[in-house]
Amino acid sequence: TQLLEQSPQFLSIQEGENLTVYCNSSSVFSSLQWYRQEPGEGPVLLVTVVTGGEVKKLKRLTFQFGDARKDSSLHITAAQPGDTGLYLCAGAPYNQGGKLIFGQGTELSVKP
Amino acid sequence: GAVVSQHPSWVICKSGTSVKIECRSLDFQATTMFWYRQFPKQSLMLMATSNEGSKATYEQGVEKDKFLINHASLTLSTLTVTSAHPEDSSFYICSARWPGVQPQHFGDGTRLSIL
Repeated sequence: TQLLEQSPQFLSIQEGENLTVYCNSSSVFSSLQWYRQEPGEGPVLLVTVVTGGEVKKLKRLTFQFGDARKDSSLHITAAQPGDTGLYLCAGAPYNQGGKLIFGQGTELSVKP
Repeated sequence: GAVVSQHPSWVICKSGTSVKIECRSLDFQATTMFWYRQFPKQSLMLMATSNEGSKATYEQGVEKDKFLINHASLTLSTLTVTSAHPEDSSFYICSARWPGVQPQHFGDGTRLSIL
């Protein structure tokens, strides 16, 4: 069974602080996606990483894909209350018809 | 803008009723769509893969006779929860992707409440 371990599962911080969310697996993924979800809505794609060692930046968010394509991290700089939400990582295994393996999610709360 | 449309967004119905949820890909043809279930404060759980023109592939533990999936066209997949009971109450989300490539794009979900 392929698993994607995401941590931490809950994070409550003050506005302006930095944070990092991790996703780790023993499996290799062809790509890895990060999504953000707000209550009552579907997940919204933030980024897709494909190449081992790849780093992508989206304003204050930095995404990294591990060299071996088994792990990834999301770093948020100077968090704002608008960053509050559920962050999900999802890896795409090879030869599984496009399925995604989801991490457990990180519930982020940024207090003003 | 949205690339996947899901309808309805919210359903309340009596126990024993069957409920149909639609998932449409907008502006692209999706040979494969996915159906997920999500409990509060938890991650998404894949229920089944919907394949256009063939039977859906269900994940282990998901009752295929309970959750009927039809993918009759390249832009529409439907999930029917048959004879729904309160324990079927949940947030159901579909996704679709361009053929052969990631990522999956998600609908806005359907909140199903069975009384």
